[in-house]
Amino acid sequence: EVQLVESGGGVVRPGGSLRVSCAASGFTFEDHGMSWVRQAPGKGLEWVCGINRDGSSTNYADFVKGRFTVYRDNAKSSLYLQMNSLTAEDTALYHCARVLRGTEATWDVWGQGTTVTVSS
Amino acid sequence: EIVLTQSPGTLSLSPGERAILSCRASQSVSSHLAWYQQKAGQAPRLLISGASNRATGIPDRFTGSGYGTDFTLTITRLEPEDFAVYYCQQDDRLHRTFGQGTKVEIK
Repeated sequence: EVQLVESGGGVVRPGGSLRVSCAASGFTFEDHGMSWVRQAPGKGLEWVCGINRDGSSTNYADFVKGRFTVYRDNAKSSLYLQMNSLTAEDTALYHCARVLRGTEATWDVWGQGTTVTVSS
Repeated sequence: EIVLTQSPGTLSLSPGERAILSCRASQSVSSHLAWYQQKAGQAPRLLISGASNRATGIPDRFTGSGYGTDFTLTITRLEPEDFAVYYCQQDDRLHRTFGQGTKVEIK
């Protein structure tokens, strides 16, 4: 079964850091670009960042402003998001998502998400 | 940044009726437009890629159309499981964006 499972979410103080992870299974991880998409409570979907198949190219939403870093370990079939200088506006459910082959960033497999809460 | 505007915000319909959802882009995205369905407490599900290509396992009552700046998702006969929030999303430019969503609710 094709699956993405996020972990590492939690409560962090403003200005703090957190790393969330995404474990992939059921498909050849290195064949797909990957992305992180978040959803604040009661709000819509918001793209955070993306990474290509071998990790050599990344891109980020403007609101990241150099605070977040996405990377991957293809040997472990895992995707990561290191988040620094967190603010309350970063409170959200963070989903990892697989890029559909043949597209730039259309996501055909999604994880259930991991919740990040930034609060003092 | 490309802004996607979805309309209406909420669509109140009965099972068996047809739903027509609109997504308008602030600049042309060619055919780089996808549609997702999201039910409460669940991850989004891809319905349509490339403006009109149904994703694997998606019933043929879901149809996507459009090009450039104007796109439509049509659900020909609403089933009970189709009541959800629908998002459009563009991947034409490096900064990916979503529409704000259309909620299809039971009338």
